[in-house]
Amino acid sequence: NAGVIQTPRHKVTGKGQEATLWCEPISGHSAVFWYRQTIVQGLEFLTYFRNQAPIDDSGMPKERFSAQMPNQSHSTLKIQSTQPQDSAVYLCASSAGLGEGAETLYFGSGTRLTVL
Amino acid sequence: QQQVRQSPQSLTVWEGETAILNCSYENSAFDYFPWYQQFPGEGPALLISILSVSDKKEDGRFTIFFNKREKKLSLHIADSQPGDSATYFCAASLGGSGTYQRFGTGTKLQVVP
Repeated sequence: NAGVIQTPRHKVTGKGQEATLWCEPISGHSAVFWYRQTIVQGLEFLTYFRNQAPIDDSGMPKERFSAQMPNQSHSTLKIQSTQPQDSAVYLCASSAGLGEGAETLYFGSGTRLTVL
Repeated sequence: QQQVRQSPQSLTVWEGETAILNCSYENSAFDYFPWYQQFPGEGPALLISILSVSDKKEDGRFTIFFNKREKKLSLHIADSQPGDSATYFCAASLGGSGTYQRFGTGTKLQVVP
């Protein structure tokens, strides 16, 4: 079991460019979560899917952020027109999906996004 | 609005001492409280967790003390080792499906030999 795989590990974009982050959850896990990590805010919830369906996107900045899960083996987080304040580590996590609130989250190593 | 708060932001202890990390939360309906440990360059990993029906949970050198009335909990790391140096996150959630874990800002622990 390779764990949750996130690519790329590092991404540098210019202000105004688009960034797409990829996540491959643990095989058999049906819940996928996206969090953003910064020193100031800690881990901020962005969005999550269960069985590929979006369940809660209340943490997503509405205008430039979007997430998809086209199949059970991967999810993407897309940030359009990136801004310097988007610089952070973006973490993807998966869980078995039997009761997400009280389940262990298995995190990937994250994608460090730097917006110049 | 930070629903889960942690203190201190950073903590340094000597090897062999007990490190105490604090956490508090806003929503009295939260009933599941995991602690995650994160090393540099890695994602957080579950260390230990507690349900609100309990007031204490032990796992080796790690113990959670939970006070439901005050909406506070703490993680005690006994006999701290240099390998325990990491960032620790407290999280809280409503049990069951259709919900997600809220995290604090973390406590960075350094254990000095």
